[in-house]
Amino acid sequence: AQKITQTQPGMFVQEKEAVTLDCTYDTSDPSYGLFWYKQPSSGEMIFLIYQGSYDQQNATEGRYSLNFQKARKSANLVISASQLGDSAMYFCAMRLQNRDDKIIFGKGTRLHILP
Amino acid sequence: EPEVTQTPSHQVTQMGQEVILRCVPISNHLYFYWYRQILGQKVEFLVSFYNNEISEKSEIFDDQFSVERPDGSNFTLKIRSTKLEDSAMYFCASSGYLGDGQETQYFGPGTRLLVL
Repeated sequence: AQKITQTQPGMFVQEKEAVTLDCTYDTSDPSYGLFWYKQPSSGEMIFLIYQGSYDQQNATEGRYSLNFQKARKSANLVISASQLGDSAMYFCAMRLQNRDDKIIFGKGTRLHILP
Repeated sequence: EPEVTQTPSHQVTQMGQEVILRCVPISNHLYFYWYRQILGQKVEFLVSFYNNEISEKSEIFDDQFSVERPDGSNFTLKIRSTKLEDSAMYFCASSGYLGDGQETQYFGPGTRLLVL
């Protein structure tokens, strides 16, 4: 069965510093996709970044990058130059590469950016 | 940029009542999903829907729940005889290629359901 583990329930980071949110996953399927979503206090789920299991390069999207280490089954999210608006809950998630397959979420990490 | 929309944003209902949560997926997407998030917990999959039928459903999605795509744009989740434990945020999502080669599930803003 697929599983996502986020070991950091909460983090405090000084504004403008880089932050790494940890995520490990478990699957025996060779084809899968990894996602990060941001959930601010307003509750919506905002897609941040995606990494396919066969992608050769780490995904990047603006200040977000995904540090994909396939052998270690880790998919850490790196946010560079953090901003106060980055304070939110962050969820790592995974889906097998069948197009209709469900997304499995981790428990999330609550990130607090300090001024 | 296209987005998934959901109505209502908030719903308060009495236990035992029926509620219908509505979603408009991104146009041209073919796969639709409902998830729920009980307050303070992680997001849980409920059901996936493709080609006018359920593809997969979780253990949570029992006979109390049903989904429907009544027309070409709406995707609904019906909860019959609501229970206190149905109180949660319900997210609709849709999945499909957006022309940039990337495929992901895009979530709506959610409907916060409170059962009293």
